Amino acid sequence: GAGVSQSPSNKVTEKGKDVELRCDPISGHTALYWYRQSLGQGLEFLIYFQGNSAPDKSGLPSDRFSAERTGGSVSTLTIQRTQQEDSAVYLCASSVGRQGNQPQHFGDGTRLSIL
Amino acid sequence: KNEVEQSPQNLTAQEGEFITINCSYSVGISALHWLQQHPGGGIVSLFMLSSGKKKHGRLIATINIQEKHSSLHITASHPRDSAVYICAVKYVTDSNYQLIWGAGTKLIIKP
Repeated sequence: GAGVSQSPSNKVTEKGKDVELRCDPISGHTALYWYRQSLGQGLEFLIYFQGNSAPDKSGLPSDRFSAERTGGSVSTLTIQRTQQEDSAVYLCASSVGRQGNQPQHFGDGTRLSIL
Repeated sequence: KNEVEQSPQNLTAQEGEFITINCSYSVGISALHWLQQHPGGGIVSLFMLSSGKKKHGRLIATINIQEKHSSLHITASHPRDSAVYICAVKYVTDSNYQLIWGAGTKLIIKP
């Protein structure tokens, strides 16, 4: 069956450019998460969407980072004026919802490289 | 002090050995995840636990809520089990919940 889909799988861009990363969650999943993993580091929580509630943005590292989730489905993570330290694998996950103990299903990630 | 601590950080073993990876946490949680990350970066969710024990194939995960501790066991380990194993705990804040990640345990199984 269809899992969490992320695009692009790889993105190389110059410092200072803006980038958009896309996540298509599993159909029917109301919770959506963005994480990033820098080289040699653990996973870092960025932002969490649950239904129509205001997102939990507590993990966003700076105001250059923003995310939207349109229609409760597809999400876009935008990084403005990219810096080299933004290079990482950006992972998206979705789950059925926050009620109960629901597992998160991960996409394959977007590998972002800032030159 | 990290809120989620895994041990060991690195583990190398021979094929067939019984493997144990530990996770201790200091916050009150509603669930704990074990995930597997392969060298290519792909992440697979192995287990989600809130109590007791779960088994899937050669993998067993246990959790002791009172002691705030979980273990992941691999029986009859195989080189294809080589990966980074990550423990993540789910806890509820005032308005939302988050996952807190351990640093991971890098497991290498030699043939």
